[in-house]
Amino acid sequence: KNEVEQSPQNLTAQEGEFITINCSYSVGISALHWLQQHPGGGIVSLFMLSSGKKKHGRLIATINIQEKHSSLHITASHPRDSAVYICAVGFGNQFYFGTGTSLTVIP
Amino acid sequence: DAGVIQSPRHEVTEMGQEVTLRCKPISGHNSLFWYRQTMMRGLELLIYFNNNVPIDDSGMPEDRFSAKMPNASFSTLKIQPSEPRDSAVYFCASNSRWGGSGYGYTFGSGTRLTVV
Repeated sequence: KNEVEQSPQNLTAQEGEFITINCSYSVGISALHWLQQHPGGGIVSLFMLSSGKKKHGRLIATINIQEKHSSLHITASHPRDSAVYICAVGFGNQFYFGTGTSLTVIP
Repeated sequence: DAGVIQSPRHEVTEMGQEVTLRCKPISGHNSLFWYRQTMMRGLELLIYFNNNVPIDDSGMPEDRFSAKMPNASFSTLKIQPSEPRDSAVYFCASNSRWGGSGYGYTFGSGTRLTVV
């Protein structure tokens, strides 16, 4: 069983759609990260959060510690949002990564 | 700010050869992380340093892998001898605060290693 589960694995959306990617974890954490990996391979850290909600531009990340669940939302999606989104959790000396959600936004 | 700088970007080597990957973290960041990404296993944390000291290397696959951080501005990941199954993209990341209480990571562009 994976400590971090993401859904969906693959997602195709029309430009402008509201997108939600989910992450559930089974371990206690000190922080949860959302990463974005572009088709070229580069990784960008989008958010690090341990409670509540964070917003950056069209991206919103929420976390519910009691339910061990986080969501990444993209409003008004755009083709340049096409990437793999990875959820990662850290606790103490351990880091666990989800397998990623591959998002394709069609013009 | 030049970001986290990794070199080389691509490395192709023959099985059995020594490979050294390099990373320069962002100035002022006191935590440095080495990750490996493969299609089969996804993204894995190999080792991390805090204030140049290795904190946990339990992610290092075997004794052929070693990492050093001789100073705050430089780290190396060495594989000796290399094997085809080491082929992967190796990322380095730095963070300005260990523990993840509110600060994000900055990733390097990665080194794509191919061992033939």
